[in-house]
Amino acid sequence: AQSVTQPDIHITVSEGASLELRCNYSYGATPYLFWYVQSPGQGLQLLLKYFSGDTLVQGIKGFEAEFKRSQSSFNLRKPSVHWSDAAEYFCAVAGGNRDDKIIFGKGTRLHILP
Amino acid sequence: DSGVTQTPKHLITATGQRVTLRCSPRSGDLSVYWYQQSLDQGLQFLIQYYNGEERAKGNILERFSAQQFPDLHSELNLSSLELGDSALYFCASSRKLGTEAFFGQGTRLTVV
Repeated sequence: AQSVTQPDIHITVSEGASLELRCNYSYGATPYLFWYVQSPGQGLQLLLKYFSGDTLVQGIKGFEAEFKRSQSSFNLRKPSVHWSDAAEYFCAVAGGNRDDKIIFGKGTRLHILP
Repeated sequence: DSGVTQTPKHLITATGQRVTLRCSPRSGDLSVYWYQQSLDQGLQFLIQYYNGEERAKGNILERFSAQQFPDLHSELNLSSLELGDSALYFCASSRKLGTEAFFGQGTRLTVV
């Protein structure tokens, strides 16, 4: 069964510093991978997705993620965070047309220090 | 705005009662997902429909049921409500199976 692990429940970084949020997945075939962001009291917004091709994908709000098959990872990065990036971030895995479900990790809450 | 509409936004009800949550997917999306988000369980997949048919089931209690109608809107029915059912319930939709989903703003259910 597919699963997603986000090992960090909370991460705190200073404004302007770089960010990396970790995500490891378990899936038998090549997965479809996503990162979503949730601000307090809001729904989830899609940041970026990986289906195939270039393993470094660009998303909205200056985020990028790199798919590493050998490590079963899909880490999210941003070179310089802004106070408005404080939110909860979810990594998710799906199987495309082979598998219907989208399974989410438990999320990483990002705190920004001024 | 994702284009996914959920109503109501907030719902307060008593234990033992039954409620219905409604979701209108984005125009053109055939697949609808329901998720439950609580502090201790995170974002739990409940059930998925595609073009009116149930396609996948997750950790959905027997007291809960859902359906997708011919116009593609979906309803999640929660019955014999317990305090532990208090949570945010999200609906999401996607164009094709297993591809990126777009989320509504959620329905916050409080059972008192």
